[in-house]
Order: sequence, then C-alpha cells, then structure tokens
Amino acid sequence: RKEVEQDPGPFNVPEGATVAFNCTYSNSASQSFFWYRQDCRKEPKLLMSVYSSGNEDGRFTAQLNRASQYISLLIRDSKLSDSATYLCVVSRNNAGNMLTFGGGTRLMVKP
Amino acid sequence: ETGVTQTPRHLVMGMTNKKSLKCEQHLGHNAMYWYKQSAKKPLELMFVYSLEERVENNSVPSRFSPECPNSSHLFLHLHTLQPEDSALYLCASSQVGGRSGELFFGEGSRLTVL
Repeated sequence: RKEVEQDPGPFNVPEGATVAFNCTYSNSASQSFFWYRQDCRKEPKLLMSVYSSGNEDGRFTAQLNRASQYISLLIRDSKLSDSATYLCVVSRNNAGNMLTFGGGTRLMVKP
Repeated sequence: ETGVTQTPRHLVMGMTNKKSLKCEQHLGHNAMYWYKQSAKKPLELMFVYSLEERVENNSVPSRFSPECPNSSHLFLHLHTLQPEDSALYLCASSQVGGRSGELFFGEGSRLTVL
C-alpha cells in the first residue's frame, strides 16, 4: 500500500464549480499534513497546511480526519488559474524534514 | 534571484559518465533535500541534510552520492547511471523548527541517461 494515496484524476470542471480532492495516508504516526500545488513543468509550492480543526484560506478549505487517516481539499468558485496538480503531503516527524508526497491529483478548469 | 537555484537545468549523459548536479539556497535555511520526480510516480525523497546531519533513504542506489559542504550548497554526484534514472531531480530547502513542512523547491535538473 502506498504511504500517501490520491486519485490521479484528471478532474475536469467548469469555471465557478466547487471541486474536492481526497487523500489517505497509511502511517498513523504521521505528524503534519499539507497540500502543495505543482503547475505543469514547474516545481511544487506550498498551498496550505492542514490543521486538525480544519482551516480555510480564501476559496480553499482543508480538512483532516486522523481517525480515518484522511485529508481533503475543497476549492470553491474554481478559476482557470487553479488548473494544476495538487499534491497531498504528510510529515513523518515533528521536525517536518521527512515529507512523503502523494502522486498528485490533476485539476483542469475549463472556461 | 530565486530562493533555490539548480544547475544545470538539463543534462544528458551516457551510462559511463560522471556528472554532478548543484543546488544553492539563498534563504538561510538549515535543511536541504534531493527529491526525484519520475513520470507518473510520486516525488521520492532521496537525501536530507538537516541540522548538519545526513539522513538518507536506504533505497537510493550508491551510484547517487550527495555532498553538502555547507548549509547553502548541496551536490548530487552521479556515476554509472542507468536509463531508468532519467527523471527530474528537485532540490529543496526548509527551516527545520520554523514553519514546519514548507519546502522551497528549485526548478529542477532534468536528467536523461542514454
């Protein structure tokens, strides 16, 4: 079983749609959780951290369910510029220097 | 000037060549990383230098050899590679103990092994 699993997609949605991605992780001792974004032929960049109580950053909402070892990302009012691959990332320690990346979910927002 | 710079951006090498990838970070971070990104596979952590301690992934073949002369520079020495080693090699840095988990990546070195 992969340490971090994501549906690779692609998710094709129209502009303005709401879309949700899910991610599961296998190591129950995982400490920290993140979503990164990777544009085509670019390097990954941090989108947002994921906190136990859930957190929101503008149109983006992240949720964590430790009991089910499940992380989600919700994007509201999708923009064309949201088209990218979204990477679920899990840290094995508190120091945050041992990150495991999921394979990513590709999102394509159409006009 | 970008925070993490990698050279070369593209490299083509034969299986008997020896080459090196270079990474430099200008962010004052205390940890540096090498990741491998192959098509249709997740990013794989290869090596970490964190708080001056090297942590490595035991599944990395010995034909890859990292070197970290100081906290700002990181090298990946390549020797007798195989065609399956063709991939994008990403360097990253972070501040351990800071905003945990925020890695800053370079643009990558795309390696092709013939």
